[in-house]
Amino acid sequence: GEDVEQSLFLSVREGDSSVINCTYTDSSSTYLYWYKQEPGAGLQLLTYIFSNMDMKQDQRLTVLLNKKDKHLSLRIADTQTGDSAIYFCAATGTASKLTFGTGTRLQVTL
Amino acid sequence: EAGVAQSPRYKIIEKRQSVAFWCNPISGHATLYWYQQILGQGPKLLIQFQNNGVVDDSQLPKDRFSAERLKGVDSTLKIQPAKLEDSAVYLCASSLQSYGYTFGSGTRLTVV
Repeated sequence: GEDVEQSLFLSVREGDSSVINCTYTDSSSTYLYWYKQEPGAGLQLLTYIFSNMDMKQDQRLTVLLNKKDKHLSLRIADTQTGDSAIYFCAATGTASKLTFGTGTRLQVTL
Repeated sequence: EAGVAQSPRYKIIEKRQSVAFWCNPISGHATLYWYQQILGQGPKLLIQFQNNGVVDDSQLPKDRFSAERLKGVDSTLKIQPAKLEDSAVYLCASSLQSYGYTFGSGTRLTVV
């Protein structure tokens, strides 16, 4: 089945850009997602990209997809303290099954 | 549009007791998912329904977990008997197509 991997932790300074990386294994994955989860809260969909796209930009968020390497990244421009959270990468594989990564904890320092 | 409703919000039980969670998906969403999220981990799919049929339950511990989706709408997830390692947040999600997933707020289960 699908396996989604992420690094566990990222620390950036306020105002800098953050780049969170993700790799997945199922080359037939059709949609790839980024979710944000704040402490004690539910999953908030940030953005998604269809597998036939290379890039998607939405305000401060930029998603890059390298389908050949099965690599997905999320860039947050001008990172703010409110961006501190856990970010999950997820991929839709066979039969619309959504598989999540382990999550990357983003810490924003002043 | 109303979101995915889950109840209860929190539940504390003793090990070996039983517990049930309820989920009401977005109206018209054919696919319903139950995920388990253990603290510090990503959500893990337990079971996926398409209408009232099971599509994938490969990671559901069937000796203690059961789930049903009557009439292809609401769903319940039951644990009987609960173990300490079942302490987690149980998330319900629904989707109309393969990209429009909506998650509920979850039920936080603590087994003591």
